[in-house]
Amino acid sequence: EIVMTQSPATLPVSPGEGATLSCRASQNINNNLAWYQQKPGQAPRLLIYDISTRAAGIPTRFSGSGSGTEFTLTINSPQSEDYAVYYCQQYSTWPPYTFGQGTKLEI
Amino acid sequence: EVRVLESGGGLVQPGGSLRLSCEASEFTYSIFFMNWVRQAPGKGLEWVSTITGSGGATYYADSVKGRFTISRDNSNNTLFLQMNDLRAEDTAVYYCVKSRGFHGRNPFHIWGQGTMLTVSS
Repeated sequence: EIVMTQSPATLPVSPGEGATLSCRASQNINNNLAWYQQKPGQAPRLLIYDISTRAAGIPTRFSGSGSGTEFTLTINSPQSEDYAVYYCQQYSTWPPYTFGQGTKLEI
Repeated sequence: EVRVLESGGGLVQPGGSLRLSCEASEFTYSIFFMNWVRQAPGKGLEWVSTITGSGGATYYADSVKGRFTISRDNSNNTLFLQMNDLRAEDTAVYYCVKSRGFHGRNPFHIWGQGTMLTVSS
């Protein structure tokens, strides 16, 4: 099973500052990495897949990068609606599909 | 608009059974992998099960293998999760999720709003 590890668990960010969220895979997952956003009381939403491709309707302030086992989600100038929990997920070697434990972006 | 909508959650006693349903709309349902993902209260996301477009292959997390059964009715665009021998640790919001494509190496694209299962006496 591929273990996904996210850091930090909580990321305090002021509006307008950049935010960098990290995700590490326990083995090479090629480009099979996605990021999801989950706001309180809502279902998760696909933000980015294949490391860096934004899903439909996702603002350009969200960007993904990385390769192999190290990945990053960057949020440029977070808006108030961006404060949420972010999960990474690998879909390279499955089953099982595995998620990171999440990073909470907070003010 | 592409949507999936779960139903069937509720309160069940330990050892009991329940079947979740998920109705899909506005996409060619039968070609896409479909999934169940759950989230225990205050916890992260846990993949539960996946079924291929034809329904010919199914996959399960070790935590539910032998107790849960995923199935689909492509004529009615519906996904199911039959859950037996339920345990307290199965308590969670269960999400029906459409994969982005028709093979397994795809992210989880469209999520339902979730249905809550509580296992308690």
